Amino acid sequence: GAVVSQHPSWVICKSGTSVKIECRSLDFQATTMFWYRQFPKQSLMLMATSNEGSKATYEQGVEKDKFLINHASLTLSTLTVTSAHPEDSSFYICSATRLAETREQYFGPGTRLTVT
Amino acid sequence: DAKTTQPPSMDCAEGRAANLPCNHSTISGNEYVYWYRQIHSQGPQYIIHGLKNNETNEMASLIITEDRKSSTLILPHATLRDTAVYYCIVVNFGNEKLTFGTGTRLTIIP
Repeated sequence: GAVVSQHPSWVICKSGTSVKIECRSLDFQATTMFWYRQFPKQSLMLMATSNEGSKATYEQGVEKDKFLINHASLTLSTLTVTSAHPEDSSFYICSATRLAETREQYFGPGTRLTVT
Repeated sequence: DAKTTQPPSMDCAEGRAANLPCNHSTISGNEYVYWYRQIHSQGPQYIIHGLKNNETNEMASLIITEDRKSSTLILPHATLRDTAVYYCIVVNFGNEKLTFGTGTRLTIIP
């Protein structure tokens, strides 16, 4: 159990367009979902924390108007990269913690975004 | 959260035990030690965590020193599939956020 999926697994978009990435907990209800970004040969950096039904909390330096996060249910969170630019090209990874078991984070497989 | 220090890379022969050290000298009493790993181009995978007692599960063992200032993750019989970056992370009780450092790149040698 505790499977997290992401869709799409990779996406190529043109500069100026918006891209939506979905994160789903397949077999459990997630109290909290997290969004990370990872540039090549670097570590994961937390972008934001989201709880179902409430606004996401963004880390310092992450533009909330550029990276829109919606957490509409206990099994789905979406990240929309608005007006994407080449510097937004990265590996985006989500994770989720289980209801009543908040210690471990279960990670999705990641989404590779390339902005041309 | 307390900062951790790990060696940037390690090699281990296939079939041998891989021992990955982590220093967390500023850890406080309500902080746990977590280990995750990331295989290339995949999302991280939870391995194990502990507070002060040694822990073992089907993947690994975690040895935490008595003063809790350091710990060692042990993969008892390393396989080629254990090649990954291993992250040691200290997490405050009640705070779910993970702060990833640079980790240790473990390479299992055939």
